[in-house]
Amino acid sequence: RKEVEQDPGPFNVPEGATVAFNCTYSNSASQSFFWYRQDCRKEPKLLMSVYSSGNEDGRFTAQLNRASQYISLLIRDSKLSDSATYLCVVNDQSSYKLIFGSGTRLLVRP
Amino acid sequence: GAVVSQHPSWVICKSGTSVKIECRSLDFQATTMFWYRQFPKQSLMLMATSNEGSKATYEQGVEKDKFLINHASLTLSTLTVTSAHPEDSSFYICSASRGELAEAFFGQGTRLTVV
Repeated sequence: RKEVEQDPGPFNVPEGATVAFNCTYSNSASQSFFWYRQDCRKEPKLLMSVYSSGNEDGRFTAQLNRASQYISLLIRDSKLSDSATYLCVVNDQSSYKLIFGSGTRLLVRP
Repeated sequence: GAVVSQHPSWVICKSGTSVKIECRSLDFQATTMFWYRQFPKQSLMLMATSNEGSKATYEQGVEKDKFLINHASLTLSTLTVTSAHPEDSSFYICSASRGELAEAFFGQGTRLTVV
């Protein structure tokens, strides 16, 4: 089983749609969780950290369920510029390494 | 925000030569940096953890004699791909964090092509 698993992509949605990505992690001792965005042939960039209480940043909402070891990202009112690969990332407590999911590709069409 | 700078952004080299990639944390000190490799349409794969003042820790399957890592200061780590071959062609990215559980900031990446 992979340490971090994500929804298989790609997600192809029209502009203005709401889309949700899911992610599960295997290490119950993990403490830090993040969503990164990666554009084609570019480095990943932090989209948002994920907190236990859930957090929102504009059109983006992230939630963490520690009991189910599940992380989600919700994007409302999708824009063309949201097209990218979204990476679920978990910080391994014992080694402090970042463990990356394989990514979910989002395509927002006009 | 924190900035991590990576150089060069792309390089083409002949098979058998060595290539050095630099990763710098510009506005914070990083005792630990990470090196990743990413093949087309695949996720980032951690190659090694670079530790300031000590030996790097390599992931399983990564040859330490081929991918030399030096972390001589709190703001600089280097990755040298020795005796490069076409199969080493990839996107190499470094990252650094302010703290052990903090988010990581990535360098711009280096696209290596070995011909």
